[in-house]
Amino acid sequence: EAGVAQSPRYKIIEKRQSVAFWCNPISGHATLYWYQQILGQGPKLLIQFQNNGVVDDSQLPKDRFSAERLKGVDSTLKIQPAKLEDSAVYLCASSLVLRDNEQFFGPGTRLTVL
Amino acid sequence: AQSVTQLDSHVSVSEGTPVLLRCNYSSSYSPSLFWYVQHPNKGLQLLLKYTSAATLVKGINGFEAEFKKSETSFHLTKPSAHMSDAAEYFCVVSVFSSNTGKLIFGQGTTLQVKP
Repeated sequence: EAGVAQSPRYKIIEKRQSVAFWCNPISGHATLYWYQQILGQGPKLLIQFQNNGVVDDSQLPKDRFSAERLKGVDSTLKIQPAKLEDSAVYLCASSLVLRDNEQFFGPGTRLTVL
Repeated sequence: AQSVTQLDSHVSVSEGTPVLLRCNYSSSYSPSLFWYVQHPNKGLQLLLKYTSAATLVKGINGFEAEFKKSETSFHLTKPSAHMSDAAEYFCVVSVFSSNTGKLIFGQGTTLQVKP
C-alpha cells in the first residue's frame, strides 16, 4: 500500500515570496491533516479536512496561509507572503475516518525562508 | 485540556542497555495515547498506541509502554537499545470534540545510542 506522498521535499524561498505544498493521502482515507513542525518542537495541527470540507482550521494563520482539498483527495497548502518564522517542516497526514486514532504521515516538506 | 509533557529532551544510552523515555499526560477523560518515532529526513511512524484496552502496550521493534492512570504517565521502554533506535520520539494524546479528532504532540525526546 502506497503511503502519504508529499512534494516538494525541500524548498528555499525569500521572505514575502509565496510557496505551495502538495499532498496525496493514502487511497480511501477521508480525513487529511496538515501539521507544522518547527525545529525542536512537536508537530502542531494547522488544518483538518473531512473529504473536501474543513472541520478544524483554528490554528491556521488565515492572513497568510490557505489550504484546499479538491475532490476530497489531493490537498495543497499555500503560504503568501512567507515570513522568516514560517521556516519549518510541513507534514501531511491522513486517516481512514474522522475520529480515527491512527494517522499516517508523509515525509514532509522542509521550508526555509531567508 | 489535553496535553502531554515529555520529561527529557535528550536521552543517551549505550547499545544493549535499556531505554526509558518518560511521558506524563493531562486529560479530562480517559485518553488515547501514542508514541511516534521520527528518523532523520523520514516521516513519523507509529510505534504503539493505547486505547483503553490492556494497560501494557506492545509496539514495533521491541518497544512497549505502560499506561498508569494513578501517575498519569505513559513511559516508553525497550530492554536493549540498538543503534537503529537513534531518533526523535514523540508522546501524543488524541483529542476528540464533536466533529473533529486531532493529535497533540509533546516536545519530543532525542534518543542517542552510543556504540
